[in-house]
Amino acid sequence: SQQGEEDPQALSIQEGENATMNCSYKTSINNLQWYRQNSGRGLVHLILIRSNEREKHSGRLRVTLDTSKKSSSLLITASRAADTASYFCATSGANNLFFGTGTRLTVIP
Amino acid sequence: DAGITQSPRYKITETGRQVTLMCHQTWSHSYMFWYRQDLGHGLRLIYYSAAADITDKGEVPDGYVVSRSKTENFPLTLESATRSQTSVYFCASEELAGGVNEQFFGPGTRLTVL
Repeated sequence: SQQGEEDPQALSIQEGENATMNCSYKTSINNLQWYRQNSGRGLVHLILIRSNEREKHSGRLRVTLDTSKKSSSLLITASRAADTASYFCATSGANNLFFGTGTRLTVIP
Repeated sequence: DAGITQSPRYKITETGRQVTLMCHQTWSHSYMFWYRQDLGHGLRLIYYSAAADITDKGEVPDGYVVSRSKTENFPLTLESATRSQTSVYFCASEELAGGVNEQFFGPGTRLTVL
């Protein structure tokens, strides 16, 4: 399966701390995306990093990609209670995306 | 309203019944997708469509049928529902290509098969 795997499965931190989530995948990719899902809602796109990029920033988000290790990380800095959600990485296939099983992040106020 | 909508949001049905989940997008995106989300499996692709009248199987297509007669609609039909099809179903759309750009997700349909 091309599905990515996130690590850890669950993460609990205090508000203001940084949160780091990792994603590993198995095959070569064109891009890797990160999505957020709040409880009971659909997924929302956060950031896309292409295979020729190593790092990308968007607000409090920082994504890295290491294609040699087939891994990516998502860093959320200065976390807020509103960041509580599940986070999924998704790797590009021929015509679609393959999603991992997600990291459940809880930010404690 | 612009965006991607799904109906119904909640559905309870019985084993053997036919169920159709609706998906509508207002952007005229070429690609549309159906996923199911189950604990421990993340999102798995059921079917996708590259354009009107063009559909293709995803990872878990068995027991499902799709059609796309119009660009904006992508209904998913469970021809004879089974308990294993109890899940949350998400529809998504993507402009121009599949797996290249961000996907936009609907709010989901929670289906329970008794």
